[in-house]
Amino acid sequence: KQEVTQIPAALSVPEGENLVLNCSFTDSAIYNLQWFRQDPGKGLTSLLLIQSSQREQTSGRLNASLDKSSGRSTLYIAASQPGDSATYLCAGTDKLIFGTGTRLQVFP
Amino acid sequence: GAVVSQHPSRVICKSGTSVKIECRSLDFQATTMFWYRQFPKQSLMLMATSNEGSKATYEQGVEKDKFLINHASLTLSTLTVTSAHPEDSSFYICSASLDSYYNEQFFGPGTRLTVL
Repeated sequence: KQEVTQIPAALSVPEGENLVLNCSFTDSAIYNLQWFRQDPGKGLTSLLLIQSSQREQTSGRLNASLDKSSGRSTLYIAASQPGDSATYLCAGTDKLIFGTGTRLQVFP
Repeated sequence: GAVVSQHPSRVICKSGTSVKIECRSLDFQATTMFWYRQFPKQSLMLMATSNEGSKATYEQGVEKDKFLINHASLTLSTLTVTSAHPEDSSFYICSASLDSYYNEQFFGPGTRLTVL
Protein backbone atom coordinates (compact mmCIF):
# COMPACT_ATOMS: atom_id res chain seq x y z
CA LYS A 1 0.00 0.00 0.00
CA GLN A 2 1.38 3.34 -1.04
CA GLU A 3 2.19 5.74 1.77
CA VAL A 4 3.34 9.28 1.25
CA THR A 5 5.27 11.24 3.83
CA GLN A 6 6.13 14.90 3.73
CA ILE A 7 8.86 16.57 5.70
CA PRO A 8 8.87 19.02 7.35
CA ALA A 9 5.28 19.15 8.54
CA ALA A 10 5.57 22.88 9.08
CA LEU A 11 8.02 25.55 8.10
CA SER A 12 8.24 29.23 8.97
CA VAL A 13 10.84 31.34 7.22
CA PRO A 14 11.60 34.98 6.47
CA GLU A 15 10.95 36.31 3.03
CA GLY A 16 13.69 35.70 0.47
CA GLU A 17 14.87 32.32 1.66
CA ASN A 18 15.24 29.36 -0.65
CA LEU A 19 13.25 26.38 0.54
CA VAL A 20 13.26 22.62 0.09
CA LEU A 21 10.17 20.54 0.75
CA ASN A 22 10.48 16.79 0.78
CA CYS A 23 8.10 14.05 -0.24
CA SER A 24 8.81 10.34 0.09
CA PHE A 25 6.70 7.40 -1.02
CA THR A 26 6.92 3.73 -0.19
CA ASP A 27 6.00 2.25 -3.56
CA SER A 28 8.57 3.14 -6.20
CA ALA A 29 6.14 2.00 -8.88
CA ILE A 30 4.65 5.46 -8.72
CA TYR A 31 3.77 6.61 -12.20
CA ASN A 32 3.65 10.39 -12.06
CA LEU A 33 4.04 12.79 -9.18
CA GLN A 34 2.16 16.00 -8.73
CA TRP A 35 2.74 18.90 -6.37
CA PHE A 36 -0.12 21.11 -5.19
CA ARG A 37 -0.68 24.06 -2.94
CA GLN A 38 -3.74 24.47 -0.79
CA ASP A 39 -4.74 27.74 0.80
CA PRO A 40 -6.79 27.55 4.01
CA GLY A 41 -10.34 26.42 3.31
CA LYS A 42 -9.69 26.22 -0.40
CA GLY A 43 -9.25 23.59 -3.04
CA LEU A 44 -5.98 22.51 -4.58
CA THR A 45 -3.93 24.31 -7.15
CA SER A 46 -1.69 22.14 -9.28
CA LEU A 47 1.88 23.40 -9.29
CA LEU A 48 3.92 20.86 -11.14
CA LEU A 49 3.45 17.43 -12.65
CA ILE A 50 6.46 15.21 -13.17
CA GLN A 51 5.76 12.37 -15.53
CA SER A 52 7.43 9.02 -15.10
CA SER A 53 9.85 9.66 -17.96
CA GLN A 54 11.00 12.94 -16.45
CA ARG A 55 13.25 13.72 -13.54
CA GLU A 56 12.26 17.30 -12.89
CA GLN A 57 9.95 20.12 -13.83
CA THR A 58 10.31 23.87 -13.44
CA SER A 59 7.77 26.64 -13.29
CA GLY A 60 8.93 30.11 -12.36
CA ARG A 61 10.48 29.99 -8.89
CA LEU A 62 9.45 26.37 -8.41
CA ASN A 63 11.45 23.31 -9.29
CA ALA A 64 10.39 19.76 -8.54
CA SER A 65 12.48 16.65 -8.93
CA LEU A 66 11.56 12.99 -8.87
CA ASP A 67 13.80 10.06 -8.00
CA LYS A 68 11.69 6.95 -8.34
CA SER A 69 14.47 4.60 -7.32
CA SER A 70 14.77 6.21 -3.90
CA GLY A 71 11.09 7.01 -3.61
CA ARG A 72 11.59 10.74 -3.22
CA SER A 73 10.48 14.01 -4.69
CA THR A 74 11.68 17.46 -3.75
CA LEU A 75 10.01 20.81 -4.29
CA TYR A 76 12.41 23.71 -4.35
CA ILE A 77 11.06 27.23 -3.89
CA ALA A 78 13.46 30.02 -4.73
CA ALA A 79 13.33 33.45 -3.16
CA SER A 80 10.25 32.75 -1.08
CA GLN A 81 7.54 35.40 -0.74
CA PRO A 82 4.70 35.89 1.76
CA GLY A 83 2.29 34.89 -1.01
CA ASP A 84 3.87 31.45 -1.01
CA SER A 85 2.36 30.79 2.42
CA ALA A 86 0.10 27.74 2.06
CA THR A 87 0.08 24.01 2.58
CA TYR A 88 2.03 22.09 -0.03
CA LEU A 89 0.93 18.59 -0.91
CA CYS A 90 2.51 15.94 -3.05
CA ALA A 91 0.69 12.98 -4.52
CA GLY A 92 1.36 10.13 -6.88
CA THR A 93 -1.04 10.22 -9.79
CA ASP A 94 -1.55 6.50 -9.87
CA LYS A 95 -4.52 7.00 -7.61
CA LEU A 96 -3.33 10.22 -5.99
CA ILE A 97 -2.33 9.14 -2.53
CA PHE A 98 -1.66 12.38 -0.70
CA GLY A 99 0.90 13.19 1.91
CA THR A 100 -0.20 15.19 4.94
CA GLY A 101 1.47 18.26 3.55
CA THR A 102 3.96 20.89 4.61
CA ARG A 103 2.46 24.05 6.08
CA LEU A 104 4.60 26.91 4.92
CA GLN A 105 4.56 30.40 6.34
CA VAL A 106 6.75 33.08 4.83
CA PHE A 107 6.85 36.25 6.87
CA PRO A 108 7.92 39.68 5.63
CA GLY B 1 -7.74 26.19 -19.25
CA ALA B 2 -8.52 23.11 -17.16
CA VAL B 3 -10.98 24.73 -14.79
CA VAL B 4 -13.12 22.67 -12.46
CA SER B 5 -16.00 24.16 -10.53
CA GLN B 6 -17.99 22.88 -7.59
CA HIS B 7 -21.39 23.87 -6.35
CA PRO B 8 -22.30 24.72 -3.71
CA SER B 9 -19.18 26.05 -2.06
CA ARG B 10 -20.72 25.76 1.36
CA VAL B 11 -23.77 23.98 2.70
CA ILE B 12 -25.27 23.63 6.14
CA CYS B 13 -28.00 21.06 6.64
CA LYS B 14 -29.89 19.24 9.34
CA SER B 15 -29.07 15.69 10.27
CA GLY B 16 -30.95 13.18 8.14
CA THR B 17 -31.19 15.26 5.00
CA SER B 18 -29.45 14.54 1.71
CA VAL B 19 -27.04 16.91 0.07
CA LYS B 20 -25.98 16.98 -3.57
CA ILE B 21 -22.65 18.42 -4.65
CA GLU B 22 -21.89 19.13 -8.28
CA CYS B 23 -18.52 19.00 -9.96
CA ARG B 24 -18.11 20.42 -13.44
CA SER B 25 -15.19 20.59 -15.82
CA LEU B 26 -15.72 23.93 -17.55
CA ASP B 27 -13.38 23.84 -20.50
CA PHE B 28 -12.54 20.21 -21.10
CA GLN B 29 -14.18 16.84 -21.19
CA ALA B 30 -13.32 14.76 -18.17
CA THR B 31 -13.40 11.06 -18.73
CA THR B 32 -12.62 10.47 -15.11
CA MET B 33 -13.57 12.43 -12.03
CA PHE B 34 -12.49 11.83 -8.47
CA TRP B 35 -14.06 12.66 -5.15
CA TYR B 36 -12.02 13.38 -2.05
CA ARG B 37 -12.81 14.18 1.54
CA GLN B 38 -10.64 16.23 3.83
CA PHE B 39 -11.11 16.47 7.57
CA PRO B 40 -9.58 19.35 9.51
CA LYS B 41 -5.81 19.30 9.59
CA GLN B 42 -5.71 16.09 7.61
CA SER B 43 -4.77 15.34 4.06
CA LEU B 44 -7.14 14.48 1.27
CA MET B 45 -8.55 10.99 1.17
CA LEU B 46 -9.81 9.55 -2.08
CA MET B 47 -13.40 8.41 -1.74
CA ALA B 48 -14.24 7.21 -5.21
CA THR B 49 -13.37 7.32 -8.87
CA SER B 50 -16.07 7.84 -11.45
CA ASN B 51 -15.95 7.29 -15.17
CA GLU B 52 -18.55 8.78 -17.44
CA GLY B 53 -21.39 6.39 -18.06
CA SER B 54 -20.32 3.70 -15.62
CA LYS B 55 -20.57 2.94 -11.94
CA ALA B 56 -18.15 4.59 -9.59
CA THR B 57 -15.35 2.68 -7.94
CA TYR B 58 -15.29 3.27 -4.22
CA GLU B 59 -12.29 3.11 -1.94
CA GLN B 60 -12.25 0.70 0.94
CA GLY B 61 -14.30 1.94 3.86
CA VAL B 62 -16.45 4.32 1.81
CA GLU B 63 -20.12 3.37 1.81
CA LYS B 64 -21.43 3.46 -1.72
CA ASP B 65 -25.04 3.60 -0.56
CA LYS B 66 -24.32 6.65 1.54
CA PHE B 67 -22.20 8.51 -0.98
CA LEU B 68 -23.99 8.26 -4.30
CA ILE B 69 -21.95 9.28 -7.30
CA ASN B 70 -23.33 9.94 -10.73
CA HIS B 71 -21.19 10.81 -13.74
CA ALA B 72 -23.80 11.32 -16.40
CA SER B 73 -21.77 13.41 -18.81
CA LEU B 74 -18.17 14.20 -19.62
CA THR B 75 -18.43 17.53 -17.81
CA LEU B 76 -20.52 16.75 -14.75
CA SER B 77 -20.26 14.45 -11.78
CA THR B 78 -22.42 14.64 -8.68
CA LEU B 79 -21.89 13.39 -5.16
CA THR B 80 -24.96 12.94 -3.00
CA VAL B 81 -24.47 12.49 0.71
CA THR B 82 -27.59 10.63 1.77
CA SER B 83 -29.06 10.93 5.25
CA ALA B 84 -26.19 13.10 6.34
CA HIS B 85 -25.01 13.02 9.94
CA PRO B 86 -22.65 15.32 11.86
CA GLU B 87 -19.74 12.95 11.29
CA ASP B 88 -20.15 13.55 7.54
CA SER B 89 -19.21 17.17 8.07
CA SER B 90 -16.09 17.68 6.01
CA PHE B 91 -14.53 19.41 3.05
CA TYR B 92 -15.38 17.58 -0.16
CA ILE B 93 -13.20 18.18 -3.19
CA CYS B 94 -13.54 16.84 -6.70
CA SER B 95 -10.96 16.59 -9.43
CA ALA B 96 -11.06 15.76 -13.09
CA SER B 97 -8.62 14.38 -15.58
CA LEU B 98 -8.69 13.81 -19.28
CA ASP B 99 -8.46 10.07 -18.93
CA SER B 100 -7.38 7.56 -16.34
CA TYR B 101 -5.17 7.98 -13.27
CA TYR B 102 -2.12 8.73 -15.29
CA ASN B 103 -2.82 12.26 -16.37
CA GLU B 104 -2.71 15.48 -14.46
CA GLN B 105 -5.70 16.10 -12.23
CA PHE B 106 -7.39 19.46 -11.89
CA PHE B 107 -9.18 20.23 -8.68
CA GLY B 108 -12.35 22.05 -7.86
CA PRO B 109 -12.47 24.67 -5.10
CA GLY B 110 -14.16 22.30 -2.66
CA THR B 111 -17.48 22.19 -0.81
CA ARG B 112 -17.65 22.71 2.93
CA LEU B 113 -20.44 20.53 4.37
CA THR B 114 -21.67 21.11 7.89
CA VAL B 115 -24.32 18.79 9.27
CA LEU B 116 -26.05 20.03 12.39
